[in-house]
Amino acid sequence: SQQGEEDPQALSIQEGENATMNCSYKTSINNLQWYRQNSGRGLVHLILIRSNEREKHSGRLRVTLDTSKKSSSLLITASRAADTASYFCALNTDKLIFGTGTRLQVFP
Amino acid sequence: EPEVTQTPSHQVTQMGQEVILRCVPISNHLYFYWYRQILGQKVEFLVSFYNNEISEKSEIFDDQFSVERPDGSNFTLKIRSTKLEDSAMYFCATRQGLDNEQFFGPGTRLTVL
Repeated sequence: SQQGEEDPQALSIQEGENATMNCSYKTSINNLQWYRQNSGRGLVHLILIRSNEREKHSGRLRVTLDTSKKSSSLLITASRAADTASYFCALNTDKLIFGTGTRLQVFP
Repeated sequence: EPEVTQTPSHQVTQMGQEVILRCVPISNHLYFYWYRQILGQKVEFLVSFYNNEISEKSEIFDDQFSVERPDGSNFTLKIRSTKLEDSAMYFCATRQGLDNEQFFGPGTRLTVL
């Protein structure tokens, strides 16, 4: 399967806390991408990490990739209420295959 | 920053009618995609398009669906005879190359009555 599976399915935290979401997959990849979707809205690309990279940062986001374990994690530090959304990992193939995502709720 | 745009933002149609959803890709992007998301469900791949032809299509993309790039800029998805179950958000996405990220448009909400 080319689908990434995210866990947990849902995560609730307070503002200021860190949020960690995980993604596991089964196939070999060239890269892995994380997206965010606010309810009923479009998908926003967050970070692309390539198979030869182990960690990547973008602002408050930190993504790791462990190709030996076929897993990736997305860490959002110092979360804000505006981070409330669903987060998805997607494997690089021609098409993107989305899992059910992690629904993050950040309470003010 | 360049972005993918889609029109209309919301389309309401009667069952059996034809609809055309439009997307304007980012200008130097070569790969184009349509996805859909039924309310409360996963985002599902419909079709990919490169070099003026379909690269891959899913089982959802049956004979009622078609895509084209009529004028070299717009990328359209046509549903010939809409069904109730076609009601969903339809997202266009584009990318510069296969090793690059896909950028999504804001979506068109299609409601079939």
